[in-house]
Amino acid sequence: DAKTTQPTSMDCAEGRAANLPCNHSTISGNEYVYWYRQIHSQGPQYIIHGLKNNETNEMASLIITEDRKSSTLILPHATLRDTAVYYCIVRVLNNFNKFYFGSGTKLNVKP
Amino acid sequence: GAVVSQHPSWVICKSGTSVKIECRSLDFQATTMFWYRQFPKQSLMLMATSNEGSKATYEQGVEKDKFLINHASLTLSTLTVTSAHPEDSSFYICSARTSGRGYNEQFFGPGTRLTVL
Repeated sequence: DAKTTQPTSMDCAEGRAANLPCNHSTISGNEYVYWYRQIHSQGPQYIIHGLKNNETNEMASLIITEDRKSSTLILPHATLRDTAVYYCIVRVLNNFNKFYFGSGTKLNVKP
Repeated sequence: GAVVSQHPSWVICKSGTSVKIECRSLDFQATTMFWYRQFPKQSLMLMATSNEGSKATYEQGVEKDKFLINHASLTLSTLTVTSAHPEDSSFYICSARTSGRGYNEQFFGPGTRLTVL
């Protein structure tokens, strides 16, 4: 049921920007893109979400392409504590706004 | 942000016994709660959706008689794994959403690790 595809893993040097891509080519016009991350053996943590416009908060930036078929999560200055699995999720409209998780990207931040 | 707790954080039980896991929203009222299961090195799989005061709706392939869900109040949902077997060993995670603050977000609990011997 997941509507997103992400690379299995990525490496990033500490202090550098981490750019995590997500493909959601079948997204519907009014479906939101959400990003969560999961540190080992913990519950997922909300990062950011968006519809059409780029978004930024204290954790990250979300860049959504004009056709909305893909997006990129940017962690501007990755730290070792950002090592986690990052999930890109398209929120199902109605139906209680369910989330169907894809396989996610394991981000390894290295010193 | 909103806080969701789960209890217990881990549990070990014998095959054939039932185990109850609690999910609580601590500082908001959760109109909808979700239950997920996660096997090692795999993603989260949605099991069921529960709304306060009504029956839960289960995802395809999830046995409703085995995974009993009760959402009796706006701050508490419980998942009971009945007649647990070793293949039910997993990481169970709940999440909650509200129609008020943070309407579009789901807030996740820390998870409960179930081991069935």
